[in-house]
Amino acid sequence: EVQLVESGGGLVQPGGSLRLSCAASGFTFSSYWMSWVRQAPGKGLEWVANIKQDGSEKYYVDSVKGRFTISRDNAKNSLYLQMNSLRAEDTAVYYCARDLLQFDYWGQGTLVTVSS
Amino acid sequence: QSALTQPRSVSGSPGQSVTISCTGTSSDVGGYNYVSWYQQHPGKAPKLMIYDVSKRPSGVPDRFSGSKSGNTASLTISGLQAEDEADYYCCSYAGSYTFAHVVFGGGTKLTVL
Repeated sequence: EVQLVESGGGLVQPGGSLRLSCAASGFTFSSYWMSWVRQAPGKGLEWVANIKQDGSEKYYVDSVKGRFTISRDNAKNSLYLQMNSLRAEDTAVYYCARDLLQFDYWGQGTLVTVSS
Repeated sequence: QSALTQPRSVSGSPGQSVTISCTGTSSDVGGYNYVSWYQQHPGKAPKLMIYDVSKRPSGVPDRFSGSKSGNTASLTISGLQAEDEADYYCCSYAGSYTFAHVVFGGGTKLTVL
């Protein structure tokens, strides 16, 4: 059974940093692109970033470029999102998802709240 | 403002059919056959319902169907059931050199009357 479990969310002040993790199991993690998708409270879905199987290609939505960094550790079956210079508008539930240019499996999400 | 345009809400009675539209541009919906649809119940993670415009993952009822014409994709749900009441999001690949690699619609709330 495919499972994706996010962790690392919490309350952080504007300008602060947070690192999200996603533990994958039930499939060959190193064979898939992976993505982070977020959802602000009461709002729609927004794709944030994705990463190729070997980490050699990474893409970001314009609003997080230069502030967020996606990475992965295939030996640990884990996906990460390092978030720096956080803003109030980054407040959202962050989901990791298996990426086939479409998202067939999602985690349960982790809430990031940026507030003073 | 979302990259793809969906109606904010649709409704239908049990047993009826509803169609949700998703309008993009030639740079996303119209340019690729990587259109997908997601169902999201309150407090839950999204669930893939349609991929590659019209394919259904295993386990998704055949009451759900997808199509595309030009820059507009559509999700049709026939034989509406109470459990279909949820938010639905369309999604499209948008290429490697746009503001986002993947774009979503703003979501449509389906109400089963």
